[in-house]
Amino acid sequence: DTGVSQDPRHKITKRGQNVTFRCDPISEHNRLYWYRQTLGQGPEFLTYFQNEAQLEKSRLLSDRFSAERPKGSFSTLEIQRTEQGDSAMYLCASSLVGGSAYNEQFFGPGTRLTVL
Amino acid sequence: AQSVTQPDIHITVSEGASLELRCNYSYGATPYLFWYVQSPGQGLQLLLKYFSGDTLVQGIKGFEAEFKRSQSSFNLRKPSVHWSDAAEYFCAGQAAGNKLTFGGGTRVLVKP
Repeated sequence: DTGVSQDPRHKITKRGQNVTFRCDPISEHNRLYWYRQTLGQGPEFLTYFQNEAQLEKSRLLSDRFSAERPKGSFSTLEIQRTEQGDSAMYLCASSLVGGSAYNEQFFGPGTRLTVL
Repeated sequence: AQSVTQPDIHITVSEGASLELRCNYSYGATPYLFWYVQSPGQGLQLLLKYFSGDTLVQGIKGFEAEFKRSQSSFNLRKPSVHWSDAAEYFCAGQAAGNKLTFGGGTRVLVKP
């Protein structure tokens, strides 16, 4: 079990460019979450998938953001026309949801985005 | 609206001294509650969790937390801090097995 992995770990881009991040969850995990963490703050929920279906999106997820999980395995988060306010750590987590209401989320190391 | 509050932004403690980090939650019903630790450049690691039952829960690295329904609190404690405990600590709540709502975090500095 290799845990949740994210790629790239760091991304520096210029304002107005598009960026895409990838998250590979733990095998067999059916839920995948995206969070954003700005400097000095706690992570904030962005969106989550159960298998391929995107079940909830936060108001933080503007029209410039899109997330996909096409085959129910890895996920991508794309930000179009980046703005300086998008600079943050983007965290991915996965979990296995079964009969219990509880599911422990395992976090990846994050992708740190800097928009110049 | 669901919220989790960590009143202390920074705490400085001497190595070997005890540590207590505060967490208050506001949910319609008692949520599942968690404490995570984040070291620089690292992801979030789960320290402990509370679902129901015994209000004192034990976690990894010698941490424990006490759930107090009357105070809507879930404070984290460690009897004797080690230099390696310097990190940022996040309290989080979860309703119905879905998204986590995090507090703003408490940064712990350990003096030698």
